[in-house]
Order: sequence, then structure tokens, then C-alpha cells
Amino acid sequence: EVQLLESGGGLVQPGGSLRLSCAASGFTFSTYGMNWVRQAPGKGLEWVSVISDSGSITHYADSVKGRFTISRDNSKNTLYLQMNSLRAEDTAVYYCAKKRVAGGSPHPADDWGQGTLVTVSS
Amino acid sequence: DIQMTQSPSSLSASVGDRVTITCRASQGISNYLAWYQQKPGKVPKLLIYAASTLQSGVPSRFSGSGSGTDFTLTISSLQPEDVATYYCQKYNSDPRPFGGGTKVEIK
Repeated sequence: EVQLLESGGGLVQPGGSLRLSCAASGFTFSTYGMNWVRQAPGKGLEWVSVISDSGSITHYADSVKGRFTISRDNSKNTLYLQMNSLRAEDTAVYYCAKKRVAGGSPHPADDWGQGTLVTVSS
Repeated sequence: DIQMTQSPSSLSASVGDRVTITCRASQGISNYLAWYQQKPGKVPKLLIYAASTLQSGVPSRFSGSGSGTDFTLTISSLQPEDVATYYCQKYNSDPRPFGGGTKVEIK
């Protein structure tokens, strides 16, 4: 059974930093692309970032480009999101989500974690 | 970048009604379109990918169609457990934005 467990959320001041982690199990982590998706309170889903299975290819939403960095450690089956220069509008539940199919072909995410809440406020 | 627009933003229908949600891409995306269902307080669930392929375990009352820029999600007979917000997402290339969502309620 696929399990994705996010951690690292919390309260941070504007301009601060936070690193989210997503521990994966139940599948061969190193062969799947992974995503971060966020959802502000009462709002819709916003795709944040994606990383290839090897970690060599990354993409970001314009809203976080230059501030957030996605990475992964395949030896630890863990996905990360380093968030710097945080703003109030980054307040959201952050989900990690696994690509439906292994490899490089385009596919959506099928398995999602339960999410971790990030609150940016002074 | 390609934008995804959903309509309507909300709808109310009776149990047993046929419900249709529309998603439009600002440029052609072939059939690289997914639909998600998010029930209140729950994690999003993949319903349909490749515009019309049902994810394993999804009830057959859900169907998807379309290609290029215009797509639809249809619930053939609305059930109480279908109360949720539905999102489309393109995934042919990055960035891969979601549509704004359609909230479905029971009348």
C-alpha cells in the first residue's frame, strides 16, 4: 500500500523559511516523479512543483519560482520542499503526490499524502 | 503558460440527475487532462486521466470526454456521496495548473 507522510509544517513569520518532508513507502520511490500541491484555507488546489524520478528535472509554479526548491533523496525515500522568503499567501495545506506511472511519460498524480499545514503570519 | 478554466463554479442538482462540468484549456493539450474529486475535509482523489480513462475503483457513473481545449466530466446519475468539489488539471507539460474547481451539491 502506498503511503505518503508529510511533515515539517508549522507557524513561520513572513520572510522566514521552512522545509517540508514527505516520507514515501509501499512503492519503488526512485522510479516515480513526485509533486507538491497546496491548498489555501477554503480555496482550490494549486500545483506547486514537480521533480523527476532521478531528481534531475524540476519545475515550479510562477508563484513560488525562485523561493521554493524541490528535491529528493532516493536513498531515504523522501521528498522535500525548501520554502524561503515565505509570504502570507503561502499559507496552505501542502500535499505531496505521487505520479500515477513510473518513468518519464506524462501522467497525473494518483496517490496523495494527508498534507501538512503551513501558516505564515507574524 | 496554459490556463485551465472550469464552469460552473458551483451547481446544485437532485439525486439521480445527470451532471456535467466543463473544463477549457487556453491552448490545446491533446488528451492530457485529469479530473479529481475532493470531498469536504478529504484528500483529492484521481477520478479520470487521459481525458476519458476511469481510474481503478471509480464508479462507472463518472465519465470524461474531450480533446484539445474542451473537456467535460459527467456524472450520469448524481448520488449523495458525490457531493464534492471537482478539479481538472492538465499534465502534458509543466507548469500543470488546476482549474478553479466546481462545487457540486445536492438540491
